[in-house]
Amino acid sequence: EVQLVESGGGLVQPGRSLRLSCAASGFTFDDYAMHWVRQAPGKGLEWVSGISWNSGSIGYADSVKGRFTISRDNAKNSLYLQMNSLRAEDTALYYCAKEGLWGQGTLVTVSS
Amino acid sequence: DIQMTQSPSSLSASVGDRVTITCRASQGIRNDLGWYQQKPGKAPKRLIYAASSLQSGVPSRFSGSGSGTEFTLTISSLQPEDFATYYCLQHNSYPPTWTFGQGTKVEIK
Repeated sequence: EVQLVESGGGLVQPGRSLRLSCAASGFTFDDYAMHWVRQAPGKGLEWVSGISWNSGSIGYADSVKGRFTISRDNAKNSLYLQMNSLRAEDTALYYCAKEGLWGQGTLVTVSS
Repeated sequence: DIQMTQSPSSLSASVGDRVTITCRASQGIRNDLGWYQQKPGKAPKRLIYAASSLQSGVPSRFSGSGSGTEFTLTISSLQPEDFATYYCLQHNSYPPTWTFGQGTKVEIK
C-alpha cells in the first residue's frame, strides 16, 4: 500500500525539542522530494520544509528557519523533522507529504 | 518568494451549482500548480495536478485551468460530498518549496 505514516508528535514545553519521523512505503522513496506541512487548529495549510531526493537541496519557511532541520534516510525510506526552540505558535498537526500523497499527520502541542 | 492569492475565502452554494475558485501567483509559475480538497479531520486530497490534469479517481465535474499567473478550479455541478475547503498549491523543485493559497471554504447555502 502506498502510504506515509508520521510519528513523534506530543506535548512539549516551550523552548524544548522534538523530532518527527515519517515512514514511507509502497513507492520508490528516493525518486521524490519530500515535504513537511503543518496546520494549526482551525487554520489553513502552511508549508514548513522540503528536501530534494538526494538531500542536495533544502528549503524552509521563514517561520522555522534556524530552528527546524529536515533530513531523510533513503535506505530506511524515512523523512525527519528536528524541531528545536519550540514556540506556542508551532502547535499544529504536522503532515509528511510528497506531491499527491499525504500522511494522516502527527499532532505537536507546545505548552507549559 | 512567490505569493499565492486565493479567492474567495468562502462561498455558499447549492447542490447543482457551478463553482469557481481562483488563485493568482505573484509571478509566473508555468503550470506548477495543484488543487487540493480537505474535509474536517482529514488530510488534503489532490484533485488536479499540473494546473489542469485530473487526478486518477477524481470525478470529472472537477476541472482546472490556467497557466502563468492565474488559475481556476471549477466544480461544474456541486454535489453534497463537495462541501469542503479547497487549496491551491504552487510547487518549486530547486529549492523544494511549496506555497499554499489561503483556502476557500465551500458551504451549503
